[in-house]
Amino acid sequence: EPEVTQTPSHQVTQMGQEVILRCVPISNHLYFYWYRQILGQKVEFLVSFYNNEISEKSEIFDDQFSVERPDGSNFTLKIRSTKLEDSAMYFCASTLNSYEQYFGPGTRLTVT
Amino acid sequence: AQSVTQPDIHITVSEGASLELRCNYSYGATPYLFWYVQSPGQGLQLLLKYFSGDTLVQGIKGFEAEFKRSQSSFNLRKPSVHWSDAAEYFCAVGVPTGANNLFFGTGTRLTVIP
Repeated sequence: EPEVTQTPSHQVTQMGQEVILRCVPISNHLYFYWYRQILGQKVEFLVSFYNNEISEKSEIFDDQFSVERPDGSNFTLKIRSTKLEDSAMYFCASTLNSYEQYFGPGTRLTVT
Repeated sequence: AQSVTQPDIHITVSEGASLELRCNYSYGATPYLFWYVQSPGQGLQLLLKYFSGDTLVQGIKGFEAEFKRSQSSFNLRKPSVHWSDAAEYFCAVGVPTGANNLFFGTGTRLTVIP
């Protein structure tokens, strides 16, 4: 069964550094998403991406964040200058028809 | 604005007992409704979904949920819980426009005791 994959599973970075989180969505899917879950809190929507552009973004998704689909298979989330409060689990999701979203296993980002 | 409330932070049930996890939502129309399950260290797995039609929906692993428009609820049920059901359960609302971004509740942690 096809699945969404994410790398790395755990990323440790220092405050102020740039990080890139990678996701490989299911191959025929058209909509892509990033969500995050701060430890002990609910899963929060960050951004959706369709037809090679951002579809919607939340207030969390400020100028420090960017997304890209560089090669037709990967979907990346870049945080330009990480802050302590960016520490969270980041989930990628994809869907063919914007109905059922399939989530990856997540990348745990720890900012020190 | 849409929101999801899961009033129970933690529920403990005995193996074999029935289960009901509560979910209430706030949205101006009928949203898409979902239940996801997250086992420790794992991603989110879709249990079931409601878009329209029959208000009682069946999902995987023996779970079902009932949409009640009058109560703005979408409670998750299982008649007999198994130890492997211990996990975190999230109710989510999808706004049926655009990319259908999901808005999650805070989750209910289920503990199953022998």
